[in-house]
Amino acid sequence: DVKVTQSSRYLVKRTGEKVFLECVQDMDHENMFWYRQDPGLGLRLIYFSYDVKMKEKGDIPEGYSVSREKKERFSLILESASTNQTSMYLCASRSAYQPQHFGDGTRLSIL
Amino acid sequence: DQQVKQNSPSLSVQEGRISILNCDYTNSMFDYFLWYKKYPAEGPTFLISISSIKDKNEDGRFTVFLNKSAKHLSLHIVPSQPGDSAVYFCAAPTDSGAGSYQLTFGKGTKLSVIP
Repeated sequence: DVKVTQSSRYLVKRTGEKVFLECVQDMDHENMFWYRQDPGLGLRLIYFSYDVKMKEKGDIPEGYSVSREKKERFSLILESASTNQTSMYLCASRSAYQPQHFGDGTRLSIL
Repeated sequence: DQQVKQNSPSLSVQEGRISILNCDYTNSMFDYFLWYKKYPAEGPTFLISISSIKDKNEDGRFTVFLNKSAKHLSLHIVPSQPGDSAVYFCAAPTDSGAGSYQLTFGKGTKLSVIP
């Protein structure tokens, strides 16, 4: 069974901090994704990666960056956290033509 | 521009009755659709999919119908159970180049099944 693990379930940070959200998958998937979920806005894609060291912008990349140094790990970085980045962050992975598998999410609060 | 639309933010249904969740899309190039289910404090889980070469796909209590001419799909849950209470997302893949694709999600419909 595919497992996508996000390092924290809940996180509280302060405005201006650099924040790292980590995601690890155990199925050797090529593709990995970061989304945020907000009430009334659904799931919005921030960044994705289809291979090690490769990254592509999604729909809302502003204020975020990503890192994929190893195939199993995809990190989301908030360069300087702001209150409008308070959200539920979801990581997902998949192989070529299979449905995405999601982690349980990180609820991030920026104070 | 929203390419996948779920126009009903919420739906309440009595236990044992049919739940019908709707999804409309604007991109006629979409050829595959997925439904995900999400409980609070958990990640979405894949529920059922349909290819554009079909107009119906069934898996137990869940059936997805596709009407290509209307650019409309619907998820039917029969009979509805309290454990089905969740947010349901409709999604379609869009080509992102390099032999890959990304999913475009609707905003979701929150289903409440009342015992």
